[in-house]
Amino acid sequence: SQQGEEDPQALSIQEGENATMNCSYKTSINNLQWYRQNSGRGLVHLILIRSNEREKHSGRLRVTLDTSKKSSSLLITASRAADTASYFCATSIQGAQKLVFGQGTRLTINP
Amino acid sequence: KAGVTQTPRYLIKTRGQQVTLSCSPISGHRSVSWYQQTPGQGLQFLFEYFSETQRNKGNFPGRFSGRQFSNSRSEMNVSTLELGDSALYLCASSVAGIGYTFGSGTRLTVV
Repeated sequence: SQQGEEDPQALSIQEGENATMNCSYKTSINNLQWYRQNSGRGLVHLILIRSNEREKHSGRLRVTLDTSKKSSSLLITASRAADTASYFCATSIQGAQKLVFGQGTRLTINP
Repeated sequence: KAGVTQTPRYLIKTRGQQVTLSCSPISGHRSVSWYQQTPGQGLQFLFEYFSETQRNKGNFPGRFSGRQFSNSRSEMNVSTLELGDSALYLCASSVAGIGYTFGSGTRLTVV
């Protein structure tokens, strides 16, 4: 079963607005990663945040991690049409050599 | 450098047949993982190989198997195909289990 749950399941916003997606997980983690998937294609790695980090930035992406609440959020600022995709959080547990994915957020950016 | 290559991209098989999917990781990456993605179950971990050894296996029936060769290329096999095996199969490679690069996937349709 999935460890992570993502919220919302779908999000539709206007180009230029910010998009925020949330992820919750159940067990202690080594790190949490965010991926993007376009139209059922492969996953593209966006950003990784380790369990001892609280916030990380990469370009227009900002990720936060709250290990006490077992939750993470991904913020995409100044959204563009090309950001339309599904976004997945994935957790990595020490020694498990695998990722456990959330169910994803489907983001649509309207021009 | 070349990314993760999965072949074939699309496959149609009949129930009861078997199928073999191939994954060539990024040069220098010794870890190869496989995931199944379906609309109902989302992204689920199948297995992970490192230096020809399976280190972890997901909760899938024995019909799903895999192997890794000395050049790190990996194959997964599904025997006695069922309709429910229709899915996008994704392969990911990494150096040491941190920061995965995914291939574009093989879309398997079982009819």
